[in-house]
Amino acid sequence: AQSVSQHNHHVILSEAASLELGCNYSYGGTVNLFWYVQYPGQHLQLLLKYFSGDPLVKGIKGFEAEFIKSKFSFNLRKPSVQWSDTAEYFCAVTPNFGNEKLTFGTGTRLTIIP
Amino acid sequence: DTGVSQDPRHKITKRGQNVTFRCDPISEHNRLYWYRQTLGQGPEFLTYFQNEAQLEKSRLLSDRFSAERPKGSFSTLEIQRTEQGDSAMYLCASSLEGGVSFFGQYFGPGTRLTVT
Repeated sequence: AQSVSQHNHHVILSEAASLELGCNYSYGGTVNLFWYVQYPGQHLQLLLKYFSGDPLVKGIKGFEAEFIKSKFSFNLRKPSVQWSDTAEYFCAVTPNFGNEKLTFGTGTRLTIIP
Repeated sequence: DTGVSQDPRHKITKRGQNVTFRCDPISEHNRLYWYRQTLGQGPEFLTYFQNEAQLEKSRLLSDRFSAERPKGSFSTLEIQRTEQGDSAMYLCASSLEGGVSFFGQYFGPGTRLTVT
């Protein structure tokens, strides 16, 4: 069975700082990888995804993530964060076949200080 | 596209009572998933439907839990004889078969259950 680790539980940054959130997964086969975001009071929204091709994927709101297969990692990055990026971020994985159920990490709470 | 909707948004119940939640997926989506999220954790898979067929259930889904998706449209999740450990956010998501790779799963706002 697959699993996802997010080692940063709570990250606090000042506006304009650069962001990198770690995500490592465990699975022996081909996977699809996702980052979801949950803004305060809102439901989970897809931020970006990787399923094949260029390992550097760009998502909404200036976020990007890089899939490094050899490291089983899919870290999320943003060069300059804004106060509005305050949210909870979840990394998720699904095998590249079958029922496509998502396995999520425990999430990283990001707090941006104005 | 009206998105995935869930009803009710909040439910407070006493231990031992039965509760039922409803999920309305995006209309053209044939796959529907239920997840449970507790405080400080990511969502955990409970069960999924392809059209009206329930194709997989997690070990998390005890005998007190039952889900249905009649006619392959909306779905209900029932919990019988609720326990305090059932307190959580119950999330519904939908997707097109084979569409997760391209579009991801679309999540509803969730139903927050509190068992007192």
